[in-house]
Amino acid sequence: DAKTTQPPSMDCAEGRAANLPCNHSTISGNEYVYWYRQIHSQGPQYIIHGLKNNETNEMASLIITEDRKSSTLILPHATLRDTAVYYCIVDNNAGNMLTFGGGTRLMVKP
Amino acid sequence: KAGVTQTPRYLIKTRGQQVTLSCSPISGHRSVSWYQQTPGQGLQFLFEYFSETQRNKGNFPGRFSGRQFSNSRSEMNVSTLELGDSALYLCASSLGTLYTEAFFGQGTRLTVV
Repeated sequence: DAKTTQPPSMDCAEGRAANLPCNHSTISGNEYVYWYRQIHSQGPQYIIHGLKNNETNEMASLIITEDRKSSTLILPHATLRDTAVYYCIVDNNAGNMLTFGGGTRLMVKP
Repeated sequence: KAGVTQTPRYLIKTRGQQVTLSCSPISGHRSVSWYQQTPGQGLQFLFEYFSETQRNKGNFPGRFSGRQFSNSRSEMNVSTLELGDSALYLCASSLGTLYTEAFFGQGTRLTVV
């Protein structure tokens, strides 16, 4: 079973920041938080991952709370091409055995 | 560099037949994982191969099997196909070391009729 809880859907206006929340209250000390997204009919795409510090790359920022029980993925300036299902995954197995939950379907609107 | 390549992209089979799907990982990647995606069950982990050995296995019946070759290419086989095996089968490759990202292929869409 997935160890994360995400809202099933969210809307965001084009050009605005998209903030996608994820709860992982049972996360253990050696588990990382990964984010992937899946654009319709394509394979999932890696976005970012982190352990306890906030992380940023060219795609997004990951904010992890101090108690590590929740996190937020931030897409700073959402575009129509960011419309996808976003999966938050907690993993302690080197990222090779991912347990996907239902994800959040993000709709970016003009 | 080239991404993960899965062949074929689409496949139609009849109940009771068997099917073999192929995955070529990114050069240098030693881990290949397979996933099944259906509308009802979502994305589910099938198994992972690392250096020609199955390292992890999901909760699927024995009809689902796989193997990995010395060049890291992987195949998965489904025998005695059932209608419920209709799905998008995704392959992901990674370095196989701790906490690295997985790169997914475009998938093979299998339809069982």
